[in-house]
Formats: sequence, C-alpha cells, structure tokens
Amino acid sequence: KNEVEQSPQNLTAQEGEFITINCSYSVGISALHWLQQHPGGGIVSLFMLSSGKKKHGRLIATINIQEKHSSLHITASHPRDSAVYICAVETDKLIFGTGTRLQVFP
Amino acid sequence: DSGVTQTPKHLITATGQRVTLRCSPRSGDLSVYWYQQSLDQGLQFLIQYYNGEERAKGNILERFSAQQFPDLHSELNLSSLELGDSALYFCASSVRDRTVNEQFFGPGTRLTVL
Repeated sequence: KNEVEQSPQNLTAQEGEFITINCSYSVGISALHWLQQHPGGGIVSLFMLSSGKKKHGRLIATINIQEKHSSLHITASHPRDSAVYICAVETDKLIFGTGTRLQVFP
Repeated sequence: DSGVTQTPKHLITATGQRVTLRCSPRSGDLSVYWYQQSLDQGLQFLIQYYNGEERAKGNILERFSAQQFPDLHSELNLSSLELGDSALYFCASSVRDRTVNEQFFGPGTRLTVL
C-alpha cells in the first residue's frame, strides 16, 4: 500500500464546477504540500499545510491531522486549471502521491 | 518562473553513458533537492543538500551521485545509464534545511536513454 493515496486518479469537469481532490496518508508528517504540474511538465507549489485551512484565489486546501486526510478544492473551475495535482507529505523527505489528472472543459 | 534554473532542458544519450545535470537554486536558498519522475514510479525524492552538505538521501541508485558547490549550485551525475533511467529530473530549492519548507521547483531536465 502506498504511503500517500490520492483520489480520484482522473477527473473531468465542466467550466464553473466545484472540484475536490482528496489525499490520504499513513505516516506521521510535519507538513503536506499540494503541487500543480502542467502538461509542459513544470511543477508549481500551491500550498504547504501543517494544520487547518489555506486559501489562495479560487483554491482552498484543508488538512485534518487526526484523520490523516487533506483536500484540495477548486471553486469556479476554468480550463486553465487543467493539470495534474499532486499531494506530497513531508517526513524527513517528500513522499508523493500518484497525482490526479484534472481536465476542465469549456 | 520559480527562480530555479536547470540545464540542459533535454538530453538524449545512449546506454552506458554518463551525464551531468545542473541546477541553480533561487537566490538566497541554501537547500537543493533532486527528484526523479518516471512514468512507472511517479515522483521520487533522490537527495538533498544544504549549504554544501548532504542532508537526506532517498531512492538514489549507487550509479547516481550529486554535490552542491560553494556557490550553491548543484550537479546530479548519472553514470552507466540504463533505459530505465529515462525520466524527468527536477531540482527544487528552499531557504531552510529540511522540514516545513516551501520548495520551488525548476523546469526539469528530460533525459532520454536510447
């Protein structure tokens, strides 16, 4: 079993829809990261969380340390949000989930 | 633009060869991390340096080595290359050492081993 599990693996949405991507982990962590990888391959750090909730524009990330679970929400999704979203947990190193491929259609 | 630069962008080479990937961290960042992203394994941590010293090691093969120089740039050396080494290699940098640090990723080097 992977230490970091993401769901769903693939997600298709219509523009404007509310998106939720989930991440569960099985190890003790010091922080959790959400990353975005565009089709060209570049990786951008979206959030780093140790507790609670963070918001940046239309993106919201939450973490429940007791339940070892985090969610990434995208409100009013847009085609430019199409990317792979990767959850990574920080122990003495980053351990990555396999990613969620999101496609948003106009 | 994250401020992290990697060269080259693409590299095509043959099995058995040796290559060097280069990374320059963001100005002021002392930590450099190397990651490998392959189709079958996803993203994996390879190794981290902080201010010239090795700090953490992940799934890095013995054929691979890295170092961080006094000007803080880092190089990842891959030798006796195999077909399975074909992957995207990312470096990332952060200000501090290890945990609870936002990391800034470079654009990656795509290595193809033929």
